[in-house]
Amino acid sequence: NAGVMQNPRHLVRRRGQEARLRCSPMKGHSHVYWYRQLPEEGLKFMVYLQKENIIDESGMPKERFSAEFPKEGPSILRIQQVVRGDSAAYFCASSLGQGVQPQHFGDGTRLSIL
Amino acid sequence: KQEVTQIPAALSVPEGENLVLNCSFTDSAIYNLQWFRQDPGKGLTSLLLIQSSQREQTSGRLNASLDKSSGRSTLYIAASQPGDSATYLCTIVADMGGSEKLVFGKGTKLTVNP
Repeated sequence: NAGVMQNPRHLVRRRGQEARLRCSPMKGHSHVYWYRQLPEEGLKFMVYLQKENIIDESGMPKERFSAEFPKEGPSILRIQQVVRGDSAAYFCASSLGQGVQPQHFGDGTRLSIL
Repeated sequence: KQEVTQIPAALSVPEGENLVLNCSFTDSAIYNLQWFRQDPGKGLTSLLLIQSSQREQTSGRLNASLDKSSGRSTLYIAASQPGDSATYLCTIVADMGGSEKLVFGKGTKLTVNP
């Protein structure tokens, strides 16, 4: 499967725990985007990364959330001390570049906070 | 601030009917517009992408149009089938805050009844 791979598909955490969401972009793609879809809401941009660099994190909550895209390995979205309001579907997309290049999406990680 | 609105929020039609989904955006300075399909519990599947210099794109029974000056796009589905049942998302790519981002509408939930 050469598509965008996200894991886990479902993640359950208790309040106060940490959640780590992984995204492997399509082969050859160096641009990664994370989006969040809250219940009954549209997808919202969170962060845009290129290899080893955060390009735009204007959509990320200022606290508890962080993202990385290391030189080797998948991109990681990390949520510390999770709260009930973090329950959502988190989608990763990758592209060859910006602008005219389309973004390809993974199937998402459904995060549930108990 | 770029906003994307989709009308209607939900639509139910009998099989075989032709239908139109509407999308509007507030700022005409976009790079492209893309229609996605989202099935329950799944990721996003790209249907059609229209560059800002184009007016329409066609793929099989789907036709998408773009009118930048009025800030509108339509997705036309011909001879609808039960398998077309899904949520259809309209997104635009715009330069916001120094990087290009996808801005999503909340979607139109389509049900095609056999």
